[in-house]
Amino acid sequence: DAGITQSPRHKVTETGTPVTLRCHQTENHRYMYWYRQDPGHGLRLIHYSYGVKDTDKGEVSDGYSVSRSKTEDFLLTLESATSSQTSVYFCAISLQSDYEQYFGPGTRLTVT
Amino acid sequence: AQSVSQHNHHVILSEAASLELGCNYSYGGTVNLFWYVQYPGQHLQLLLKYFSGDPLVKGIKGFEAEFIKSKFSFNLRKPSVQWSDTAEYFCAVKPYGSGNTGKLIFGQGTTLQVKP
Repeated sequence: DAGITQSPRHKVTETGTPVTLRCHQTENHRYMYWYRQDPGHGLRLIHYSYGVKDTDKGEVSDGYSVSRSKTEDFLLTLESATSSQTSVYFCAISLQSDYEQYFGPGTRLTVT
Repeated sequence: AQSVSQHNHHVILSEAASLELGCNYSYGGTVNLFWYVQYPGQHLQLLLKYFSGDPLVKGIKGFEAEFIKSKFSFNLRKPSVQWSDTAEYFCAVKPYGSGNTGKLIFGQGTTLQVKP
């Protein structure tokens, strides 16, 4: 398995609170991605990074922000959590843009 | 818009039955193609990939997939499934020309249940 960890693995939070999820890799891959997985939707891209401090939006970026200050860390922040953001969040990495992506173990987030 | 369609949402098979899961995509240019598997409670794992060359691709655990360019399809097959193949299967497509982002477009997933 690729060296990807996500923290926390589970989190329950209240509506309106900020939440930060962390993805950490030990593979020195340039590209990092945040997805959310919801039943019937497969995986949808939230944000991605193509280098340190280089990030861009995916298809479902509203309500989320990201930061990448080091190659190994990619943070996803929900500025003010809503119930619609209850989901499983997966981080992924890839060595080059056209290569396969490797996924982390996921974070299950529940917003009450 | 580019999209990936997996025709079967839920498949139930008995052990030793043959499997074929359909995947079609809507993009007229060059693509990289992937199948991922997600076992219950786990993360996605790469099953196989196609970049170029032989359109019949072999992956792990006895799975294979065939790329048919004229049909925009990349169907997953296994001759004889096992109970341990119970999982969710995702087809994903990476169109060329979508920049250096590596954006993958995922299908909705197919849940495979194998009865012992």
